[in-house]
Amino acid sequence: AQSVAQPEDQVNVAEGNPLTVKCTYSVSGNPYLFWYVQYPNRGLQFLLKYITGDNLVKGSYGFEAEFNKSQTSFHLKKPTALVSDSALYFCAVRGISGNTGKLIFGQGTTLQVKP
Amino acid sequence: DTAVSQTPKYLVTQMGNDKSIKCEQNLGHDTMYWYKQDSKKFLKIMFSYNNKELIINETVPNRFSPKSPDKAHLNLHINSLELGDSAVYFCASSQAWGVVTGELFFGEGSRLTVL
Repeated sequence: AQSVAQPEDQVNVAEGNPLTVKCTYSVSGNPYLFWYVQYPNRGLQFLLKYITGDNLVKGSYGFEAEFNKSQTSFHLKKPTALVSDSALYFCAVRGISGNTGKLIFGQGTTLQVKP
Repeated sequence: DTAVSQTPKYLVTQMGNDKSIKCEQNLGHDTMYWYKQDSKKFLKIMFSYNNKELIINETVPNRFSPKSPDKAHLNLHINSLELGDSAVYFCASSQAWGVVTGELFFGEGSRLTVL
């Protein structure tokens, strides 16, 4: 069965510093990995995805994520955090197992960027 | 134009009542989903339809009944509401079930409160 874990409930970062939000996954076959952001009282917005190719994926709002097959991780990163980046971040995985296209989400990590 | 729209945004009702949430997407997508986000922000898939055909039906009580009159609409009807049904319900769509590399587009959510 496919699963995804976000080990940190909350990440606190000072504005201007780099940020990392961690994600590990478990899936049969090749993983398709996604990051979403949810601002308060809003729906989820797509940030970026890894399908194949370059392990470093660039996405919206200056975010990027690094796919590491040996560590089964897909950590979200940003070189310079902004206060406006404060939100809830979800990692998600979709695996090819029995032709299922189901997208499974991690439990979410709250990012708090302080001025 | 809103890509995935849900109504109502807020719903407050008494235990035992029946209520519906409507969802429409104008992206031309074939696949639509209902996700439930609980008070701890955990996201769980409930149902998925591909071109009006039910393809995912997670372990959801029979009181929940989705209906897809056409591929642009997916409604959720809930009978005999219980306190535990209080949550935010998100509708989402994606290009097609077989396109596993495609991201989901989410609505803004419908916050259901059962008193």
